[in-house]
Amino acid sequence: DTGVSQDPRHKITKRGQNVTFRCDPISEHNRLYWYRQTLGQGPEFLTYFQNEAQLEKSRLLSDRFSAERPKGSFSTLEIQRTEQGDSAMYLCASSSEIIGGAKLEQYFGPGTRLTVT
Amino acid sequence: DQQVKQNSPSLSVQEGRISILNCDYTNSMFDYFLWYKKYPAEGPTFLISISSIKDKNEDGRFTVFLNKSAKHLSLHIVPSQPGDSAVYFCAAPNAGNMLTFGGGTRLMVKP
Repeated sequence: DTGVSQDPRHKITKRGQNVTFRCDPISEHNRLYWYRQTLGQGPEFLTYFQNEAQLEKSRLLSDRFSAERPKGSFSTLEIQRTEQGDSAMYLCASSSEIIGGAKLEQYFGPGTRLTVT
Repeated sequence: DQQVKQNSPSLSVQEGRISILNCDYTNSMFDYFLWYKKYPAEGPTFLISISSIKDKNEDGRFTVFLNKSAKHLSLHIVPSQPGDSAVYFCAAPNAGNMLTFGGGTRLMVKP
């Protein structure tokens, strides 16, 4: 079990540029989640996938944000036309499918820290 | 509307003593709660959870208590160790297992 991995760990970009982050979940997990964490706050849910289906995306912060999980394995989060307010830690998590209503803990990656200058 | 709140941004405790971290929630539909620990430059690490059908769950030095009538939960760490120094988040999933987090409490355990 190699855990959840994210790439890159740090990204510095200029305002107006597009950025893409990658997340590789734990291999047997079919659920994948994206969160954003700003300084002094808890993580904030953005979107999630079950296999390749994006089941919730209304919490994405604006239409500049989009996510994909084309083959139900890794996922990408893209931010277009970045703004300084997008500077944050972007976290990915994965979990097994909920069985019988049981809530299963999510395992987080180390995050990608985005700085928009 | 913050559905999960941690009102103490920081807590300092002497090594060997008990650490008590508190969390309040407003959504009565929440039926499961989790605690995560986060070190700087790392993602949150799952620590312990509790279902609303229980009022206590224990795992080694960590115990979580749930008071449903008060919509309050607490995490007890006994004895506290310097390696426990981190930010602790409580969280609750909604029907789709999307987690709502509190703002976190920074615990500092002094040797």
